[in-house]
Amino acid sequence: GAVVSQHPSRVICKSGTSVKIECRSLDFQATTMFWYRQFPKQSLMLMATSNEGSKATYEQGVEKDKFLINHASLTLSTLTVTSAHPEDSSFYICSANPPGRANTEAFFGQGTRLTVV
Amino acid sequence: GENVEQHPSTLSVQEGDSAVIKCTYSDSASNYFPWYKQELGKRPQLIIDIRSNVGEKKDQRIAVTLNKTAKHFSLHITETQPEDSAVYFCAASDDTGNQFYFGTGTSLTVIP
Repeated sequence: GAVVSQHPSRVICKSGTSVKIECRSLDFQATTMFWYRQFPKQSLMLMATSNEGSKATYEQGVEKDKFLINHASLTLSTLTVTSAHPEDSSFYICSANPPGRANTEAFFGQGTRLTVV
Repeated sequence: GENVEQHPSTLSVQEGDSAVIKCTYSDSASNYFPWYKQELGKRPQLIIDIRSNVGEKKDQRIAVTLNKTAKHFSLHITETQPEDSAVYFCAASDDTGNQFYFGTGTSLTVIP
């Protein structure tokens, strides 16, 4: 199956700093990647759709200036949490699908546990 | 847009018993319904999926049923084992793209 790799798996940062999370498709090119946020024992909440070469599409209620998404290449999307605060602490996870395989299983990264202290 | 609802939110069963998780969806255009199992701090893993041209699919102890008319689908786990304990998510998508709409999740605990 397709492989999506996410880094880092865990990060602890101080309040007010920024954190960058990377999502890579290792064996396929992904024009679209998805970023989710997940609170403990809750579902995956779609934050934004990352589009290669263009602006990300954010879901309602998600601050685009807070959660910066860059999809500069066909294999890499980054999510930067700017000026992080404790309430940003969460599990962030990305997903992507190989081209031509729409409507098949989503391939997820390993997820990133962000703790803001 | 699509709205996927999932019940129950928590479920405890004795080892060896069956577990059933139900989901409903709102968009009749949805035609692909995967189920994911997620262990704490790990990525969701696909355990079974079904397409709208099929009413039922089974893989060993796991089965999924789909009722297109009623717009609901269910996950059935038989002979549950402690290692089945996890959070399970249903999802729906259509042919327009890769976006999935996830249910709210069910935390399953199998009691030894």
